[in-house]
Amino acid sequence: GDQVEQSPSALSLHEGTSSALRCNFTTTTRSVQWFRQNSRGSLINLFYLASGTKENGRLKSAFDSKELYSTLHIRDAQLEDSGTYFCAAEAGQGGRALIFGTGTTVSVSP
Amino acid sequence: EAAVTQSPRNKVAVTGGKVTLSCNQTNNHNNMYWYRQDTGHGLRLIHYSYGAGSTEKGDIPDGYKASRPSQENFSLILELATPSQTSVYFCASGPDRNQDTQYFGPGTRLLVL
Repeated sequence: GDQVEQSPSALSLHEGTSSALRCNFTTTTRSVQWFRQNSRGSLINLFYLASGTKENGRLKSAFDSKELYSTLHIRDAQLEDSGTYFCAAEAGQGGRALIFGTGTTVSVSP
Repeated sequence: EAAVTQSPRNKVAVTGGKVTLSCNQTNNHNNMYWYRQDTGHGLRLIHYSYGAGSTEKGDIPDGYKASRPSQENFSLILELATPSQTSVYFCASGPDRNQDTQYFGPGTRLLVL
């Protein structure tokens, strides 16, 4: 099975609302990164976590290496938050390579 | 901010032809990676490198070769391109120490006809 299970696959939000994305890992994970892919296809770094939580503006992420999951919370969603979000695990692959989830497409509407 | 560039950004190739995708990083990172992205799969690792002269197979290396002639440059080579290799290819660089992120290039769209 997939080593990184990301949910939901799609998420529709109204401006001003909040929600969360989740990634479950089926193997020991040293760290997790979160990215947003914009409409041009560029991957934008959001967070790197080896443990605990980090917050940046309206985004907050947490990583529980013992329970093998990570979350990304979007607070007060804005139109510019639309895009596809990926989590990626550093799970002992060679050279610290990442294993990606399949992504969550977030659509924020007025 | 770390910088990773890729060329070309778009490429159309014919089946059986040779394709070389280039990546350059100015971060002085030891590790570099090539991933491909297909709908429904996220990004998957093709090859990676620990430094100049090093290339290692990732999860889906069949049909691809890699070359790391210097710290800054990492190429992905398709000797005999096939339509199944139509995809978006991302290069990334990262340090070999913990507590730091990987940085991705803008991607190369490859269409094999």
